[in-house]
Amino acid sequence: DAGITQSPRHKVTETGTPVTLRCHQTENHRYMYWYRQDPGHGLRLIHYSYGVKDTDKGEVSDGYSVSRSKTEDFLLTLESATSSQTSVYFCAISASGTTTSGNTIYFGEGSWLTVV
Amino acid sequence: DAKTTQPPSMDCAEGRAANLPCNHSTISGNEYVYWYRQIHSQGPQYIIHGLKNNETNEMASLIITEDRKSSTLILPHATLRDTAVYYCIVSPLSSGSARQLTFGSGTQLTVLP
Repeated sequence: DAGITQSPRHKVTETGTPVTLRCHQTENHRYMYWYRQDPGHGLRLIHYSYGVKDTDKGEVSDGYSVSRSKTEDFLLTLESATSSQTSVYFCAISASGTTTSGNTIYFGEGSWLTVV
Repeated sequence: DAKTTQPPSMDCAEGRAANLPCNHSTISGNEYVYWYRQIHSQGPQYIIHGLKNNETNEMASLIITEDRKSSTLILPHATLRDTAVYYCIVSPLSSGSARQLTFGSGTQLTVLP
C-alpha cells in the first residue's frame, strides 16, 4: 500500500465550524490530491498540489481551501462547514507523470465527515 | 477527457476468471488506460495500466485491442475479496493531469461462492 495516512478518519462537526483534514505521505511524491466521493457523483477532484506551496483548483473547489507547506503534508480546510459537505474525502498522491509509467495515482483510506 | 463505457454489474464464480470489458472509442494517442477498483468503504486501489501493449502484473492482466478502442481487465482466479467496483479510466501521460483522471460509475463485480 502507498504510504498515505489521512486524519481524522471519522469526524462529526456542526454547520458553520471550520474543519481541517490532513493527508500525510511517506513516498516523497510530488503531486497530492483531495477528492470527495458522494453517491451518484463518483469521485470528484477538489484541489490538487504539484509541489510545496503550489496548488490548483479542481472540479468542486468552492468552500474548500488547501495548503501544502511540506512535501509530505497536504491539508484540506472547510472554512465554514455545510451539510452539503458531508462526504467521504480521499487523499491521493502521484509521482511525476513525465515518465513512461504514466500518471498512476494512489489513494488513502478516506476520511468520513458528517456535518450536522 | 475520453469517456469510458462499462457494464454496471457483473457476476463471476469464485476461482474462475473475471473478464471486465471497457469501451473507450474516443481515446487519444497519448492516453493510457488505467484500472482501479474500490472495495466497499475503502479508497480506490490501483490495479494496472497500459498504453498499447497487453500488460500483466501480480493482480491482473490488461488486454488492449489493436485499435485501442476497448480493453479487458482479467482477474485470472477471482476470489471473494475481489468483489468491488472496478473503474476503467483513460488519462494522458502529461504530469499533474489530476483533472483528467475522471472516475465514472464503474462495474460492480460480485464474486459468488
